[in-house]
Order: sequence, then C-alpha cells, then structure tokens
Amino acid sequence: DIQMTQSPSSLSASVGDRVTITCRASQTIISYLNWYQQKPGKAPKLLIYAASSLQSEVPSRFSAGGSGTDFALTISGLQPEDFGTYYCQQSYTTPYTFGQGTKLEIK
Amino acid sequence: EVQLLESGGGLVQPGGSLRLSCAASGFSFSDYGMSWVRQAPGKGLEWVSSLSGSGGSTYDADSVRGRFTISRDNSRNMLYLQMNRLRAEDTAVYYCAKGTDRVGVFDYWGQGTLVTASS
Repeated sequence: DIQMTQSPSSLSASVGDRVTITCRASQTIISYLNWYQQKPGKAPKLLIYAASSLQSEVPSRFSAGGSGTDFALTISGLQPEDFGTYYCQQSYTTPYTFGQGTKLEIK
Repeated sequence: EVQLLESGGGLVQPGGSLRLSCAASGFSFSDYGMSWVRQAPGKGLEWVSSLSGSGGSTYDADSVRGRFTISRDNSRNMLYLQMNRLRAEDTAVYYCAKGTDRVGVFDYWGQGTLVTASS
C-alpha cells in the first residue's frame, strides 16, 4: 500500500497568514493527489484534485502543487473559516490512502 | 444540487451484520463511480470500497475484503454496503462519496452514518 505522510500534524496560525501543509507519498503517485478539508462533525470537502486543480467554488486562496512523491497545500491569507483538519489522498491506485491529517487552528 | 443521504447505521454485536444505504440525487447516478469511506472515532479517513457506475467493477480494502460487499441499484439511485462478520475495529462513521471522471477522487460526500460494533 502507498503510505501518505503529512506534516505538520497540527498548526496554529493567525488570520491573514500564509500556511503550507506538506504531503509525502511512499512511492511515486505522479499527480494523483487530492486535498480535502474536514470540519468537526462534518463530511470532508474536496479542495484540490490532480495535485493542483482547484475544485469548483473553492476560494482561490487555496493552492497546491507537487508531483512524484512530494506535494504541498498552501492557504494564502488565512480566513477564520479555514479551521479544520486537512487530508491528502492518493488516487493513483487502490487501496486509496489518506494522510493522517493536519489540524489547523486559528489563533 | 447533489445530495447523498446515508442510513442504516447503528449498534451491532461483533460478528453481526448491517446494511448501509445511500440515497443519491441531483446527478446522473449511473454515470459515476461511488465509494464508501469510513472514519473511526477521533481518527483519520480510511477508504473502504468503490464500484464503477455500472456496478461491474468493485474494489475493496484488504481490511474488509470477504466481509463487506458494495453494490448499487441504478434504477433507484441507491448505493449499499453489506457488512458481515463485523469487528470492533469496524466501528466508525461511514460516508458514501461520489466519484468524478477522475478515478479515486471524491467530490461529494454524505453526512455519514455511525456504525458501532460492540457487545
């Protein structure tokens, strides 16, 4: 199975900050990497697919990139509603695997 | 508007069975693969099973293969997960998720249904 490792596991940032979450795959997944946001008690929401494509209606302050084994999600100009846990997920092959999550808190 | 509504969760004894359902609306159901993803209490996301739009191809995680069966009824816009021989470690919120034209990408999720396997 492909292991997905995110860092950091948690972070705290202020409104307006630029934050970056990284995700590393245990083997190449080309660009088959997706990012989700989950708020407490809610279902995950797709933010980014194919490593860098912004899902419809997701604010442009979210961006992402990478290929092969190393990927990153960046939030430019953090907003209060961006709190939650962020997950990367590889869709290169089954079993589809998720990172362990990065919990983002707003200071 | 895409809507996915899960039902069928509950408390079941280890070794028991449960059938989850997911009612889909707002899109052409048979055109898209569907999946189940679970989340144990306080833990991360774990992919469980997927199947193609026609239902002809299915994929399962090793942890559930041989115990869980994913299926769909395209005439009723319904997705199912038959769970047999449940274990304590199957306790989780189960989400149904809609696929896109990119395999393995989940663009809409239901609200989830809680399955608790405990004596």
